[in-house]
Amino acid sequence: QQPVQSPQAVILREGEDAVINCSSSKALYSVHWYRQKHGEAPVFLMILLKGGEQKGHDKISASFNEKKQQSSLYLTASQLSYSGTYFCGTVGSGGSNYKLTFGKGTLLTVNP
Amino acid sequence: DTGVSQDPRHKITKRGQNVTFRCDPISEHNRLYWYRQTLGQGPEFLTYFQNEAQLEKSRLLSDRFSAERPKGSFSTLEIQRTEQGDSAMYLCASSLERFSGRDTQYFGPGTRLTVL
Repeated sequence: QQPVQSPQAVILREGEDAVINCSSSKALYSVHWYRQKHGEAPVFLMILLKGGEQKGHDKISASFNEKKQQSSLYLTASQLSYSGTYFCGTVGSGGSNYKLTFGKGTLLTVNP
Repeated sequence: DTGVSQDPRHKITKRGQNVTFRCDPISEHNRLYWYRQTLGQGPEFLTYFQNEAQLEKSRLLSDRFSAERPKGSFSTLEIQRTEQGDSAMYLCASSLERFSGRDTQYFGPGTRLTVL
């Protein structure tokens, strides 16, 4: 099943924070976050593994709540370059260990 | 540039024609994936290769679709008798097998197919 992302879209001013959520109805092994700009390839941001870990990358961090099958991506002090569509891709527990199932994406727009 | 490359970047074809896309993965990556992405959607899994072996095909991949990865290097995706519903971005990704579910998949720029 496809993970559900929320919100569908968010508009920020430069310097503001945002949270993007990804929720699955099935048990997950890992969550992968990507950012895609229009007409370009999805760019890998980070992987989170079951175990409830939290990771950070510059001013972008994420958490994974294994019990709730939820992951959140946190963008702090947003920059214009953060604009794009954010996708979470999930790998389920017990199934194939390679196939990513992506959500529909969250469109993030950062304005000056 | 040592990333994933795809060719062509754009393809316009008439309904009923055959098309073939090529993907060159990152050189040491043994896993290769094809995804399809339509407007407003996330990428959808089509098929997966481990080295030269095609290990999984999605039900999205009808009999008109075939993919190969000879010698475990580049891969081709062929669509026969194209239909307008095949119009989409076809993305290729590759990864280096490490531990289950931990592979980072790196995507190529995609081939945008338009079927008239």
